[in-house]
Amino acid sequence: GDSVTQMEGPVTLSEEAFLTINCTYTATGYPSLFWYVQYPGEGLQLLLKATKADDKGSNKGFEATYRKETTSFHLEKGSVQVSDSAVYFCALSDQSRGTSYGKLTFGQGTILTVHP
Amino acid sequence: GAGVSQSPRYKVAKRGQDVALRCDPISGHVSLFWYQQALGQGPEFLTYFQNEAQLDKSGLPSDRFFAERPEGSVSTLKIQRTQQEDSAVYLCASGDLGARQFFGPGTRLTVL
Repeated sequence: GDSVTQMEGPVTLSEEAFLTINCTYTATGYPSLFWYVQYPGEGLQLLLKATKADDKGSNKGFEATYRKETTSFHLEKGSVQVSDSAVYFCALSDQSRGTSYGKLTFGQGTILTVHP
Repeated sequence: GAGVSQSPRYKVAKRGQDVALRCDPISGHVSLFWYQQALGQGPEFLTYFQNEAQLDKSGLPSDRFFAERPEGSVSTLKIQRTQQEDSAVYLCASGDLGARQFFGPGTRLTVL
C-alpha cells in the first residue's frame, strides 16, 4: 500500500537558519504530494502541494519539488522564523486508481522549533 | 466564513463507554473524511463519505467504530465499548470532490 516516511525529529533551529525536512513516499500509482502544517493549538492546514513530477509547490517561503526518480518531496525554507515553529506532515493522495476521492496518507510528522 | 467544526473538543470516557463525535463540515462540501491521529503520529484514514453515501470504511479499526452522515452534511463517528487504544485525536475534513481538504480542530478522546 501507499506510505510516507519523514525524517525523524524534532528539529531545532535558530532564526534565519536553513530548513530541510526530508520526505520519501511509496505509491503504486501517480500520487499528488502535500505538506501540511499544524501550528500549536490549531488544526491541520495545507502548506503546499504538487500534482506531478518536477512540479514545485511553494507558499510562505517554503518550497518542495516532486522528484519521481527519488520518490521524494523534501520541504525547504531558506530562512526560518520563530513563527514557523509547528509540526509538519508530508502526505500523498493517489487519485490515479479507482478510489479517486483524495484520501490522504500521512507521514508521522516532524516537530520544528525555531529559537530567536 | 465558518470552517469545519468538531464537538466536543475534548472527551474523557471510561473504558467500555460509548462515545459520539460530531463533525460539521463546510456548507456545500460533498466529501467528508474521518482520520485518527495517535499521539506523536500522523493522521490515519478511517472512512470517507460522498454526500450521504459511505464509500470507503476500510480504515475503521474494528466493528466498534461506526460513522454516519444521514443528510449529507453533519457526520457522527461513534465508538462503542471504548478501549484504551482508542485514545487519540479524531480529525474530520471536508472538501469538494477531488479537491483540497479542510480540517477541523479535532476531538481529543481519552479513554481511562
